[in-house]
Amino acid sequence: QVQLEQSGAEVKKPGASVKVFCKSSGYTFTAYYLHWVRQAPGQGLEWMGIINPSGGSTSYAQKFQGRVTMTRDTSTSTIYMELSSLRSEDTAVYYCARGLDIVATIPPSWFDYWGQGTLVTVSS
Amino acid sequence: QSALTQPASVSGSPGQSITISCTGTSNDVGGYNYVSWYQQHPGKAPKLMIYDVTKRPSGVSNRFSGSKYGNTASLTISGLQAEDEADYFCSSYKSSSFVVFGGGTKLTVL
Repeated sequence: QVQLEQSGAEVKKPGASVKVFCKSSGYTFTAYYLHWVRQAPGQGLEWMGIINPSGGSTSYAQKFQGRVTMTRDTSTSTIYMELSSLRSEDTAVYYCARGLDIVATIPPSWFDYWGQGTLVTVSS
Repeated sequence: QSALTQPASVSGSPGQSITISCTGTSNDVGGYNYVSWYQQHPGKAPKLMIYDVTKRPSGVSNRFSGSKYGNTASLTISGLQAEDEADYFCSSYKSSSFVVFGGGTKLTVL
């Protein structure tokens, strides 16, 4: 069965960076796009970006351009999301989510499997 | 402020039907048939319930259905059950932003 397993909770100080991982299993890692979506406490969902696990190409939401880096390690079927210059507003649960297969001819639009979420708390 | 507008809350009694709306613009909901809906129980990850406006993933009850008219998409849940009580989020493809979400709707089963 498809599973996305994320790293544990983090507590960071303002200005620091955080790196969260998401390990995939139960399917061909390089066959599906993966996304990062975050949810601030009591708030809605916010799309952060997408990575093609096959070639490593990425696209980021404009809001996070320059602060976020998404990478992958095909040997371990793992993707990483690093967010820098953290501020209190970045306190949120960060989810990885599987998207469409990479040969899909339609744009990325839905997510069928989600990780359990990683709580990142930014506090001085 | 979320890109798509949803009512903050809806409620219904067991067995009834409810509808949750999701309003966007011609650049997202109205311009593409790529609206999806997610159910989220407290402390859990979202679950895909509807994709491509009307399609249900395998395993999702046929009590859940989706539709769209103009810039507004809707999720209808028929035969409400206690387990349906959750937050529901809509999302849509948007050409300049890939994916945008609604602010979420809290469904209460009375």
